[in-house]
Amino acid sequence: DAGVTQSPTHLIKTRGQQVTLRCSPKSGHDTVSWYQQALGQGPQFIFQYYEEEERQRGNFPDRFSGHQFPNYSSELNVNALLLGDSALYLCASSLTVGRNEQFFGPGTRLTVL
Amino acid sequence: GNSVTQMEGPVTLSEEAFLTINCTYTATGYPSLFWYVQYPGEGLQLLLKATKADDKGSNKGFEATYRKETTSFHLEKGSVQVSDSAVYFCALSDHTGTASKLTFGTGTRLQVTL
Repeated sequence: DAGVTQSPTHLIKTRGQQVTLRCSPKSGHDTVSWYQQALGQGPQFIFQYYEEEERQRGNFPDRFSGHQFPNYSSELNVNALLLGDSALYLCASSLTVGRNEQFFGPGTRLTVL
Repeated sequence: GNSVTQMEGPVTLSEEAFLTINCTYTATGYPSLFWYVQYPGEGLQLLLKATKADDKGSNKGFEATYRKETTSFHLEKGSVQVSDSAVYFCALSDHTGTASKLTFGTGTRLQVTL
């Protein structure tokens, strides 16, 4: 049973560019959340998708957007990249919303130069 | 808003020593509480959880008890091993309508030496 998978593993972009990160949830899970983890910090919640809709959003600008597909996989898009967007981006899936633990993928390391 | 406060690291212990990592939280309602562990270069792995007051979560020798009266969820292990070296994150799950997000502490790095 595959866990949460993310692609790519690493990514290098320059300021002003756009990036798309991808996530496939754990088998049977229908809810996907995205987190940003800056170096030396705890993960910060970006948003959560359920039934192809954004259900909750953290304190991130509109440059951060997402999408969930009918197969429950998800994308995170970041436009107009800033140096401060350099971080580990973590995807987590859960067995529907509610009091269920979230399982994390290995993350995508984004470096903005 | 919700928040989680963890003791600052790094925590350096000798193998077989007793471990305590303090975690306190601020939240409205009745959150679920979690400990996650992150090994170098990897994502987060769920270590243990507790969903209501006085629940004790346990896994791989680690334990934590949900203390509502002190708003705490301290992580303990009786005898640490070198392989326990990692960063440990305390987190709470906030249930709002149809969504639930995790709020994390800043993490505590544990280094265990022989």
